[in-house]
Amino acid sequence: EPEVTQTPSHQVTQMGQEVILRCVPISNHLYFYWYRQILGQKVEFLVSFYNNEISEKSEIFDDQFSVERPDGSNFTLKIRSTKLEDSAMYFCASRSTYSHEQFFGPGTRLTVL
Amino acid sequence: GQNIDQPTEMTATEGAIVQINCTYQTSGFNGLFWYQQHAGEAPTFLSYNVLDGLEEKGRFSSFLSRSKGYSYLLLKELQMKDSASYLCAVRRTSSGNTPLVFGKGTRLSVIA
Repeated sequence: EPEVTQTPSHQVTQMGQEVILRCVPISNHLYFYWYRQILGQKVEFLVSFYNNEISEKSEIFDDQFSVERPDGSNFTLKIRSTKLEDSAMYFCASRSTYSHEQFFGPGTRLTVL
Repeated sequence: GQNIDQPTEMTATEGAIVQINCTYQTSGFNGLFWYQQHAGEAPTFLSYNVLDGLEEKGRFSSFLSRSKGYSYLLLKELQMKDSASYLCAVRRTSSGNTPLVFGKGTRLSVIA
C-alpha cells in the first residue's frame, strides 16, 4: 500500500540553525500539507501546497518557514533559524483529487536545544 | 475562530462499547473526520462525515449532526489495541486544498 514517507525520523539541532525536513508524498497525490504537534498538544496546520505554490498558511508559518517541491517527488519544509519553541513532531500529509482523506507520514521529531 | 471540543480522556473495558463525542464551532463546514493516533505515531484516518447520519465501518461508526455541530465516534467490541488518542477534525471549506482543524484529541485507555 502506498504511503507518505518522511526523513529524518528525528532531528536534533541548535537554536538558530537551519533545518530541512523532507517528505515524499504518495505518488499520484496533488495536495500537500505540513502540520506540527507539540508534545501533548493538538495537531496544528502549518501550510498547504498545490500546483507548485502555497494555497494557505497559518499564523505559525511566518517568514522563518518555507516550503518547496524541488522535484517531482520530494516536498520539503525549511525552518531558517530554529527557536526552542519549534521543537515538535512535524507531519507531512498528502491527498489525492479523488478522496477526502489526508494520508499522514510517520513524522519528524524536531528537537531544538 | 475555530473551536473543536472533545473529552480529554476516557477509559473503557475490553469487549465493551465506547462513544467519543465531539462538538465544533467553525467558520464554515465541509466535513468532519476522525483519526486514530497511537503514541508517537502519525494520525491514521478512520472516518469522514459530510451529511447528517451514521457511517458504519466494521467496529467503528461515526455520526454527524450539522445543525447541532456535533459528532461522535462509536467503537464496538473494544480491543486492547484500540488504546490510542482519537482526533476529531473539521474541514472548513470545499476548496481543494483546505486544511483540517483538529481538536485536542481524546485519549482512550482500554482495560482488561
